[in-house]
Amino acid sequence: EVQLVESGGVLVQPGRSMKLSCAASGFTFSSFPMAWVRQAPTKGLEWVATISTSGGSTYYRDSVKGRFTISRDNAKSTLYLQMDSLRSEDTATYYCTTDLGAYPYWGQGTLVTVSS
Amino acid sequence: DIQMTQSPSSMSASLGDTVTINCLASQDIGNYLSWYQQKPGKSPKLMIYGATNLEDGVPSRFSGSRSGSDYSLTINSLGYDDEGIYHCHQYYEYPLTFGSGTKLEIK
Repeated sequence: EVQLVESGGVLVQPGRSMKLSCAASGFTFSSFPMAWVRQAPTKGLEWVATISTSGGSTYYRDSVKGRFTISRDNAKSTLYLQMDSLRSEDTATYYCTTDLGAYPYWGQGTLVTVSS
Repeated sequence: DIQMTQSPSSMSASLGDTVTINCLASQDIGNYLSWYQQKPGKSPKLMIYGATNLEDGVPSRFSGSRSGSDYSLTINSLGYDDEGIYHCHQYYEYPLTFGSGTKLEIK
């Protein structure tokens, strides 16, 4: 059974940093591109970033480019999202997904709240 | 960026009804369109990919179609379990974008 389990979401002050993790199991993690998708409270879904199977290619939405870094450790079957210079508008539930173009598998999400 | 204009934003229908949700792409996205169902407090669930392909395990009451840049999700024989928010998503080019969602209530 495919499982994606996010962790690391907390309350953080604007301008600070945090790192999310997503532990994968039940599939060959290194064979799948992965993505982070977020959802602000009561809002729609928003793609954040995608990483290729090797980690050699990454893609970001403009609003997080230069502040967020997506990475992966295939040996640990874990996806990461380093988030720096956080803003209030980054407040959201962050989901990790397998990226096959469409997203067949999702984690349960982890809530990041950016507030002073 | 490709805009996905989703309609309606909310709708209410009765058990057994057939409903259609639409997404209009601002430019050509081919068949790189997926649909997700999301229930309160839960992660989205993939329903349709490639505009018309039913994801494994999704009831055949769900179907996807395309007419030019107009994409539709149709649900036949509505049941209570179909209540939720439906999102369309284009994965033709970056930045990947979603529609604003359609909240479906079953009367």
